[in-house]
Amino acid sequence: DVKVTQSSRYLVKRTGEKVFLECVQDMDHENMFWYRQDPGLGLRLIYFSYDVKMKEKGDIPEGYSVSREKKERFSLILESASTNQTSMYLCASRGILAGADTQYFGPGTRLTVL
Amino acid sequence: AQSVSQHNHHVILSEAASLELGCNYSYGGTVNLFWYVQYPGQHLQLLLKYFSGDPLVKGIKGFEAEFIKSKFSFNLRKPSVQWSDTAEYFCAVNEGKNTDKLIFGTGTRLQVFP
Repeated sequence: DVKVTQSSRYLVKRTGEKVFLECVQDMDHENMFWYRQDPGLGLRLIYFSYDVKMKEKGDIPEGYSVSREKKERFSLILESASTNQTSMYLCASRGILAGADTQYFGPGTRLTVL
Repeated sequence: AQSVSQHNHHVILSEAASLELGCNYSYGGTVNLFWYVQYPGQHLQLLLKYFSGDPLVKGIKGFEAEFIKSKFSFNLRKPSVQWSDTAEYFCAVNEGKNTDKLIFGTGTRLQVFP
């Protein structure tokens, strides 16, 4: 089974802090994704990565950056956290072999910014 | 740009009732379609998917969905729900020919009472 893990289930930070959310997958998947999930808005794509050191902006990249130094790890960075970034953050990974079109999700990190 | 609509935001059913959750998308070309489910406190996981072929797709736990191209719809159905089906359900569509990006609907919260 594919396993996607995220470094924290719950995180509380203060406005202005730099926040790192880590995601690790164990299936050698090329593609990794960061979403935020908000009630009534569904999942919105923040950033994704095709491969190591490659990244693409999603639909809501403002206020976020990402890092992919190793294939299995994809980090989401909030340079200066703000209260409107309080949300559930979901990481996903996906392989690119034929038929491997499913994104596999981690458990999520619920971030509260005070 | 691709968009996905889930018109039912909150559905309440008794056990054994039939379920149909609506999903409509906007892109008129080739699409890949997905239903994901998030049980309380659990990961988002794939319920079923459609890429091509038979437009009636069967998934896990007795769920099925029908792709109707002329209606731009991919509705989720289950003939008899159980209490354990209480969850949030998300429809997702790939963005045109870009199968890396998924566009998610806003989700439907299903509550099933015994």
